[in-house]
Amino acid sequence: DIQMTQSPATLSASIGDRVTITCRASQDISPWLAWYQQKPGKAPNLLIYRASSLEIGVPSRFSGSGSGTEFTLTISSLQPDDFATYYCQHYNSHPLTFGGGTKVEIK
Amino acid sequence: EVQLVQSGAEVKKPGESLKISCKGSGYSFTSYWIAWVRQMPGKGLEWMGIISPGDSDTRYSPSFQGHVTISVDKSINTAYLQWSSLEASDTAMFYCAKFRSPGTLSVFDFWGQGTLVTVSS
Repeated sequence: DIQMTQSPATLSASIGDRVTITCRASQDISPWLAWYQQKPGKAPNLLIYRASSLEIGVPSRFSGSGSGTEFTLTISSLQPDDFATYYCQHYNSHPLTFGGGTKVEIK
Repeated sequence: EVQLVQSGAEVKKPGESLKISCKGSGYSFTSYWIAWVRQMPGKGLEWMGIISPGDSDTRYSPSFQGHVTISVDKSINTAYLQWSSLEASDTAMFYCAKFRSPGTLSVFDFWGQGTLVTVSS
């Protein structure tokens, strides 16, 4: 099974900060990597697919990059609505797995 | 409008059985795999398994194989997740989600609202 490791687990940041979250896969999964945002009590919401493609309706301050086994999600200028938990997920093969999540908190 | 509507919250005792549902609408239900995802209290997302509504082909995560059963009734556009004997450790929120691309692994583009299952004596 492919293991997905996210870092950091928690991130404290201020409005306007540039934020980067890393996701590492235990083997090459390019380009089958997605990023989701989840707010408390809500279902996850797709942000990025195919490692770097922005989902329709998602603000352009979100971007994804990476290949092979290392991927990043970047928020260029953190906004109040962005405080949430972020998950990476591979969809290269069964079983699909999620990273452990990164909680973005207000500093 | 694509929708996945899940059944309501459940409170059960250890050892009891349970079947929760996920009804799809607004798209060709039989064309897109449905997944079930667990989220234990305060924890992350765990992929449990998927089912193809068209032919009931089912794949389980090794972590959940043998403990849950995923099924579908395509005549009513509904997928199910069931337990024959619940344990306290099954307490969690369960989400269904559909794949974006027909007949293949892809991202989850629509999610149900979640079903909270509480197992307590």
